[in-house]
Amino acid sequence: ELKVEQNPLFLSMQEEKNYTIYCNYSTTSDRLYWYRQDPGKSLESLFVLLSNGAVKQEGRLMASLDTKARLSTLHITAAVHDLSATYFCAVQNTGNQFYFGTGTSLTVIP
Amino acid sequence: KAGVTQTPRYLIKTRGQQVTLSCSPISGHRSVSWYQQTPGQGLQFLFEYFSETQRNKGNFPGRFSGRQFSNSRSEMNVSTLELGDSALYLCASSHWVRSDTDTQYFGPGTRLTVL
Repeated sequence: ELKVEQNPLFLSMQEEKNYTIYCNYSTTSDRLYWYRQDPGKSLESLFVLLSNGAVKQEGRLMASLDTKARLSTLHITAAVHDLSATYFCAVQNTGNQFYFGTGTSLTVIP
Repeated sequence: KAGVTQTPRYLIKTRGQQVTLSCSPISGHRSVSWYQQTPGQGLQFLFEYFSETQRNKGNFPGRFSGRQFSNSRSEMNVSTLELGDSALYLCASSHWVRSDTDTQYFGPGTRLTVL
């Protein structure tokens, strides 16, 4: 079974600082997703990464994918309070089944 | 375009009862997946339906079942409820054409509490 690991599980960061969330997965996959979940809410799609070297950016978030290393990163630039949420990565296998990471709970403090 | 809707939003049941949850996907989406989210186990895949056929199934006991109708609406059923079934059940829909923008869109979830 495909395993997806995220780290860190919890992240408390000051506003205006930069940080990176890591997502490692165990077997080959060509599709990786990042989602955001606010407390008590559902998941919101952030990025779809399809190929080795793919990089996507939206505002202060940038996601990248290295399929050879089976690693994706979500980089946060100059964090603001609005980014406080739980972030999940998910890997899709060839059978269209999704495997989610454990999630990273991000808290941005003034 | 309306999003994914799930009903009911909250549900309280007792052990041994059964429950049916409903999901209406985004119009035009033919794939519907169900997930269980708990603090201890995180997000776990239950099953996926595409054009009324179960295409994938996660590692859950047979008490968990589902179906999809011709209009792509889906239901999941849990029989003989156990305390450990208390969770947020999320439904997600997608086109599944594997394009570079295709992703799953999640509903608000049904919060099930088993007493």
